[in-house]
Amino acid sequence: GENVEQHPSTLSVQEGDSAVIKCTYSDSASNYFPWYKQELGKGPQLIIDIRSNVGEKKDQRIAVTLNKTAKHFSLHITETQPEDSAVYFCAASALGFGNEKLTFGTGTRLTIIP
Amino acid sequence: DVKVTQSSRYLVKRTGEKVFLECVQDMDHENMFWYRQDPGLGLRLIYFSYDVKMKEKGDIPEGYSVSREKKERFSLILESASTNQTSMYLCASRGAQPDTRTGGAVDGYTFGSGTRLTVV
Repeated sequence: GENVEQHPSTLSVQEGDSAVIKCTYSDSASNYFPWYKQELGKGPQLIIDIRSNVGEKKDQRIAVTLNKTAKHFSLHITETQPEDSAVYFCAASALGFGNEKLTFGTGTRLTIIP
Repeated sequence: DVKVTQSSRYLVKRTGEKVFLECVQDMDHENMFWYRQDPGLGLRLIYFSYDVKMKEKGDIPEGYSVSREKKERFSLILESASTNQTSMYLCASRGAQPDTRTGGAVDGYTFGSGTRLTVV
């Protein structure tokens, strides 16, 4: 089955700096790579996703890149703000292949230092 | 917006009790999932369902069962709760949902807020 590894497990950055979280996956059939943000006491919320037919996607301060050859994808947050502090999870899934389940990384606790 | 509602935010049960965790979604999604979340382990899939009365084991099904009698409701059952089942339980559904950025629809997953279960 799919295995997703996520690094780092904790990350502290100064407010205004950029943060990068990296994930690798094992199943070459995976074609959907979402990123979730989880704040204290809440369920994970989708913040951005990318499908295997594109290499990069941006949404304001957030971007995700995908390298299918190397089987890795990354989340980039620019101009970080205190409200970006949360736990972030990457995930992978093979949509449309009868395996619709998401396999998650172990999470990154991001702390933005004011 | 898609809503996934979990019936309890916090639950305390005794060892050996039968426990029911309920999840309801309002978007007519066919796929529903139960995950448990533990520190350092991320989210691990317990069971999922493609349709009514259909279920598939995830990565850690031992000690759990599920029920999907209606499309909108997916229940997780702990047949005999044990202390190692103390965890945060998250329900999710997957399917078409409004894309607020484009005004169209996008295929994705939506999670409930979770149930923190403590077994004593």
